Parts: sequence; C-alpha cells; structure tokens
Amino acid sequence: DAGVTQSPTHLIKTRGQHVTLRCSPISGHKSVSWYQQVLGQGPQFIFQYYEKEERGRGNFPDRFSARQFPNYSSELNVNALLLGDSALYLCASSFVQGARYEQYFGPGTRLTVT
Amino acid sequence: TQLLEQSPQFLSIQEGENLTVYCNSSSVFSSLQWYRQEPGEGPVLLVTVVTGGEVKKLKRLTFQFGDARKDSSLHITAAQPGDTGLYLCAGEGYGNNRLAFGKGNQVVVIP
Repeated sequence: DAGVTQSPTHLIKTRGQHVTLRCSPISGHKSVSWYQQVLGQGPQFIFQYYEKEERGRGNFPDRFSARQFPNYSSELNVNALLLGDSALYLCASSFVQGARYEQYFGPGTRLTVT
Repeated sequence: TQLLEQSPQFLSIQEGENLTVYCNSSSVFSSLQWYRQEPGEGPVLLVTVVTGGEVKKLKRLTFQFGDARKDSSLHITAAQPGDTGLYLCAGEGYGNNRLAFGKGNQVVVIP
C-alpha cells in the first residue's frame, strides 16, 4: 500500500509570494494533519481536517489556510510568505482505533523562502 | 514553552553500547508515540503506548510509558549504526487528536 505522498518535494519562493502544498493520505484514512518543522525543532501542529471539515488549528497566523477534498487529499496554502516560513512541511494521515490514535507522516515538502 | 522535554538532546555512543533517552511532560496524555526521523525526511512511527506503565519492545528497542502517563523512555540495546537518527516523542491530549512533539533526541552510533 502507498504511504502518505506530498508534492512538491522542494520549493523555493520569494518573500511575499504564495505557496500551495499538496498531500494524499493513506488509502482508507479520512483525517489529514499538517505540521511545520523548523530546523532543530520538533514538528508544530498547524491544522487537522476530518471529512473535509477543520477539526483543529494550531497557533499560526491567518496567512496559513488549508482544505480537504472529497477524496481526502488536502492542500496547505500560505500567503505573503516570510523568511521565517522556511521549514519542512509535513502532512500526516491518521486513523483512530479505540484509544490508539496513530499518525503516519509523508516525506515532507522543503520550503525555502528567500 | 515546549510541552514535551526530551533529554539528552544529543547522544553519541559506540556500536554495541546501550542507551536510554527520555521524554517528560507535566501534562497527561491519552497516548504517546515515538518516531524516528532521518535528515530531510518525514518521521517514521515506531510505537504507540496507551496504558500507564505499558512496556513495548520492537527488536532491540524498548519503550515504556510512565505510570502517570506523563513521561516515557526509549532504551536501545546493543546499538547499531542503523539506529542513528532523531528520535521524537509526541503526545496526544485527550480527545483533541493532535500531537505535541518534543524537540527530539539526536542519537549517533559510531561503528
């Protein structure tokens, strides 16, 4: 079975530009979460979507938005890019089985803002 | 403020030695997960622990969840160079279905 896929792998943008990152979850997983990982830090939660609805939002500005499509794939959009947005953006798909909540991560998109 | 504190941040050992790394918090979690991450790649799930006091083994890796569900440890027996990586712990709060990560334990195993 295919794991979580993300595109593009790498991206270079200029300050003030807009970026769209894409994610396809594991087949059968209906929930997608987005995380930002800055160098030297653990991933920070940005959004969670389940069945096309936003279920959670981390402490990120309104420049960050996301959506989930009927096929459960997802997009993360970032407007007015800042140098500090340079990071590895991770998508995770998840399922819940009783008390077990497990997330499976994709390879990430490395965003560099110059 | 980091919700989960991992220690030590960096550990370098010789092949064949044992090591233990820790993940501590003042918060209680419904479940806790350990991941290993290679440079430039996404984290790979190693284990999920749910019950306080739970111990899980994955080959030479032993994971323990604290009785109070606030902390966890990872012990590696006879470390191999392939164990090199960033070990991340992540806790899930009750019902919020989101993970809070620590900064990670960077482990380097020297051949």
